[in-house]
Amino acid sequence: AQSVTQLGSHVSVSEGALVLLRCNYSSSVPPYLFWYVQYPNQGLQLLLKYTSAATLVKGINGFEAEFKKSETSFHLTKPSAHMSDAAEYFCAVSNTGNQFYFGTGTSLTVIP
Amino acid sequence: GAVVSQHPSRVICKSGTSVKIECRSLDFQATTMFWYRQFPKQSLMLMATSNEGSKATYEQGVEKDKFLINHASLTLSTLTVTSAHPEDSSFYICSLWGGYNEQFFGPGTRLTVL
Repeated sequence: AQSVTQLGSHVSVSEGALVLLRCNYSSSVPPYLFWYVQYPNQGLQLLLKYTSAATLVKGINGFEAEFKKSETSFHLTKPSAHMSDAAEYFCAVSNTGNQFYFGTGTSLTVIP
Repeated sequence: GAVVSQHPSRVICKSGTSVKIECRSLDFQATTMFWYRQFPKQSLMLMATSNEGSKATYEQGVEKDKFLINHASLTLSTLTVTSAHPEDSSFYICSLWGGYNEQFFGPGTRLTVL
């Protein structure tokens, strides 16, 4: 069975500061891992995905995530937060790309 | 990636009525589409997997007679909320399986049942 845990339902950072959103996964098979962003009243937009290639994955809008098997983690980072990064972020795991399991989400607030 | 649209984007209905939500794949032939619901400040919960030309597969706890899913073509899946009640008010999101370990999500439909 697959599942993800997102630590911290709310994260606040100052504009220009490092963004770190945490995601730990549980999977009985090598997982595919995803980060999505959701703006209010909108669907999900893919930020990046890990599919067993490079462990450091670069995504859109300056985000990146590192797959660490030993820690079962896939934390999302961005060196410098921008006001437009304020949104809800979801981590998801899949073993086939077909069945997705989402974390509970982390709401990112960027303080000017 | 594939472009997915949903219609309507927002709908308000009276309790007891039925509401149909359309999910269209604009540039991709989707054999499999998914329906999720999302309550405020919560994550997406998979409701059902919609397979073109066959019956949908519902997740445990989802009433198949209440949430009717039809996937009659490779570009259209519909979700009908029958006899809607206020507790059905939610954000409904569809997605399609694009292969290569990826899903493409629609913009969502906000349903409010009065």
